Amino acid sequence: QKEVEQNSGPLSVPEGAIASLNCTYSDRVSQSFFWYRQYSGKSPELIMSIYSNGDKEDGRFTAQLNKASQYVSLLIRDSQPSDSATYLCAVKAGANNLFFGTGTRLTVIP
Amino acid sequence: KAGVTQTPRYLIKTRGQQVTLSCSPISGHRSVSWYQQTPGQGLQFLFEYFSETQRNKGNFPGRFSGRQFSNSRSEMNVSTLELGDSALYLCASRTGQSNEKLFFGSGTQLSVL
Repeated sequence: QKEVEQNSGPLSVPEGAIASLNCTYSDRVSQSFFWYRQYSGKSPELIMSIYSNGDKEDGRFTAQLNKASQYVSLLIRDSQPSDSATYLCAVKAGANNLFFGTGTRLTVIP
Repeated sequence: KAGVTQTPRYLIKTRGQQVTLSCSPISGHRSVSWYQQTPGQGLQFLFEYFSETQRNKGNFPGRFSGRQFSNSRSEMNVSTLELGDSALYLCASRTGQSNEKLFFGSGTQLSVL
């Protein structure tokens, strides 16, 4: 079983809709969770981090964490075509290792 | 402040050859991590260096090695290249091991023929 699992998509949503990206992880002792965005041909960039159960909001982005269910999600409200990218879920497990999922490709249709 | 710089951007090699990739972290960042990215496996952790010492290592064969210099620049070496080594190799830096925010370089696209 992979450490971090994501639906590879592609996920298509119309402009203005809410995009919901999901991620599950296997290591129960994981403490830190991250979402990276990677545009085609570019390197990943950190957009959200979350450490405790519940929701964390930053502009149009909301990260949600449920440690009991080993589940973390990213909601993008009012999706824009510029949000079209691959979204990578990353989980810190062990000393300092960061494990990434394979990513979900999001397409926002104008 | 300049970002993470990786050279070369593209590389084509043949099976059995070896290759060295270079990474210059953001000024002041002492930790450098290397990742391999492929469409099927996603981003996989290779190793991390901090103050010239390898601190963590992923599940890759010994053909993959690295080092870090006193100026925090890092190199990654792959010996006896295999077709399956074709991938985007990404380097990421952070200020230290207590800071979890990674800054990625643009990567080196390695093609093994």
